[in-house]
Amino acid sequence: SAVISQKPSRDICQRGTSLTIQCQVDSQVTMMFWYRQQPGQSLTLIATANQGSEATYESGFVIDKFPISRPNLTFSTLTVSNMSPEDSSIYLCSVDLGLRTEAFFGQGTRLTVV
Amino acid sequence: AQTVTQSQPEMSVQEAETVTLSCTYDTSESDYYLFWYKQPPSRQMILVIRQEAYKQQNATENRFSVNFQKAAKSFSLKISDSQLGDAAMYFCASQVLGQFYFGTGTSLTVIP
Repeated sequence: SAVISQKPSRDICQRGTSLTIQCQVDSQVTMMFWYRQQPGQSLTLIATANQGSEATYESGFVIDKFPISRPNLTFSTLTVSNMSPEDSSIYLCSVDLGLRTEAFFGQGTRLTVV
Repeated sequence: AQTVTQSQPEMSVQEAETVTLSCTYDTSESDYYLFWYKQPPSRQMILVIRQEAYKQQNATENRFSVNFQKAAKSFSLKISDSQLGDAAMYFCASQVLGQFYFGTGTSLTVIP
């Protein structure tokens, strides 16, 4: 299994500012995933982060808005830039330990933009 | 396209009773995995049960079991002897070619 520490757990931010969310895993993993979960909705994949290469973004998400860092095999950050109220969501970090294993999740970050 | 559909936005069950949550999926791949996750108000996504598509036997984990109908692409979750702690949002998910796809979730209320 994998234990993921994600922080902050919640934040209230002013529009136009940026927030960086950190995700620390207790083991080395190849890929880390960032999801957005809007209120009452399912999980939407933002991007996949591989160590040593640029993140791969899903349709509708761009690097300028959601820059991701992946400096090593146990850590990643997601920045939500130039925030607007529409960015208010839960952001979740996730990993899996291989092609046929389940996904493990961090505790999530509840972001409110005012 | 890979899709996961949960047609029950909300369900309720009396404590100690049994409830079944529905899920259908669509994929053209033959190798895939199916999961049920639970998300309580704490937001932590917790794995409830998993099913390998190549296995015909339905997975079981204590009070949780699945009814996996591969031909119908159906993957329902049965919760027996429901407990108050089972109250949560439940997400059905598939893993295909390394990527996860989630349903829209079913909010389960357990009535004391």
